[in-house]
Amino acid sequence: EPEVTQTPSHQVTQMGQEVILRCVPISNHLYFYWYRQILGQKVEFLVSFYNNEISEKSEIFDDQFSVERPDGSNFTLKIRSTKLEDSAMYFCASEGVLLSYTFGSGTRLTVV
Amino acid sequence: AQSVTQLGSHVSVSEGALVLLRCNYSSSVPPYLFWYVQYPNQGLQLLLKYTSAATLVKGINGFEAEFKKSETSFHLTKPSAHMSDAAEYFCAVSGRASSGTYKYIFGTGTRLKVLA
Repeated sequence: EPEVTQTPSHQVTQMGQEVILRCVPISNHLYFYWYRQILGQKVEFLVSFYNNEISEKSEIFDDQFSVERPDGSNFTLKIRSTKLEDSAMYFCASEGVLLSYTFGSGTRLTVV
Repeated sequence: AQSVTQLGSHVSVSEGALVLLRCNYSSSVPPYLFWYVQYPNQGLQLLLKYTSAATLVKGINGFEAEFKKSETSFHLTKPSAHMSDAAEYFCAVSGRASSGTYKYIFGTGTRLKVLA
């Protein structure tokens, strides 16, 4: 069964540093998403991406965040200057035909 | 605007007993509804989804859910709990945005504990 692959599974970074979270969506999917889950809390939508541009973004997705699909296969989330409150599990998802949504296993980001 | 409310952040049942996890939704557009399960330190696994076909939806691991428009509910049930069902369960709602994408709005989750 096709999978969405996220790397790394766990990343520790110092406050103020830039991090890039990587995702390889399912190859024939067209819509891509990032979500985050702060420890013990619900999963929250960050951003959706289609046709090489952001389709929708939440209030959380401020100027510190950016996404891109640099090479047609990877889908990355960049946080320019990490804050302690960015510590969370970040999930990538891709979607093919209607609501055939697949989540990756997540990257746990710890900002120290 | 869309939202989901999961009643009960923690639910305990005995092994073999009925599992009932409650979810109510609010949506200004025809909703699509989902239940996901999350085991500790793992990702989100889809249990089942409602996409406007049959109102009674059967999923994996013996779970099912019924869409009730009049009650704006999508409760998750399983006739007989198993120890392996202990996990966090998330209800989610989605609807088509003007952009064409389908973002999910998740509930706060219900942690299911199964007692031996």
